Amino acid sequence: AQKVTQAQTEISVVEKEDVTLDCVYETRDTTYYLFWYKQPPSGELVFLIRRNSFDEQNEISGRYSWNFQKSTSSFNFTITASQVVDSAVYFCALSEDWYSSASKIIFGSGTRLSIRP
Amino acid sequence: KAGVTQTPRYLIKTRGQQVTLSCSPISGHRSVSWYQQTPGQGLQFLFEYFSETQRNKGNFPGRFSGRQFSNSRSEMNVSTLELGDSALYLCASRPPGQPNEKLFFGSGTQLSVL
Repeated sequence: AQKVTQAQTEISVVEKEDVTLDCVYETRDTTYYLFWYKQPPSGELVFLIRRNSFDEQNEISGRYSWNFQKSTSSFNFTITASQVVDSAVYFCALSEDWYSSASKIIFGSGTRLSIRP
Repeated sequence: KAGVTQTPRYLIKTRGQQVTLSCSPISGHRSVSWYQQTPGQGLQFLFEYFSETQRNKGNFPGRFSGRQFSNSRSEMNVSTLELGDSALYLCASRPPGQPNEKLFFGSGTQLSVL
């Protein structure tokens, strides 16, 4: 069965600190997709990144970076030099490589990130 | 380009009533999926519609149903409301073509059942 675990329920840091959000997943599939979404107070989930299971290359986008390690089934997200606007709930998610299930994403429970000025 | 639009933004209902939520996807998107978000259960997949057909369904009772119209707009219906149905209901649309493309979410409908 598929499962996504975000063990950190809440994290609070002071602005400009670096912060890493952990994500561990379980799947029996060899082909799968991993996602990170951000949910600001307005409610809508905002897509941050998608990574397929064959692409273990780490990615950096501005202050955001992602570390994908299949050996440990982890897909961690780091924000460098955090800002108050980064405050939100962040969700890690997993989907199988079946077209019919393409929208049936399994979400983790989310990590609420608070950045204090 | 307009985003995913969900109406209404807030709803208050009483137990036993039924409710209909509406979702207009991004223009050109034919896939619409629905998710329920609660503090206890988190984000859970309800169902997905594509070209007016339900393609996939989550583990929810039959009280939860949906449909999609020819213009890709979708509605979700919950009958015989229970207190536990109080949640944020999120709609998402997906671009055509490749599976597992990112989803575009609306701001949701906050349903409170009293």
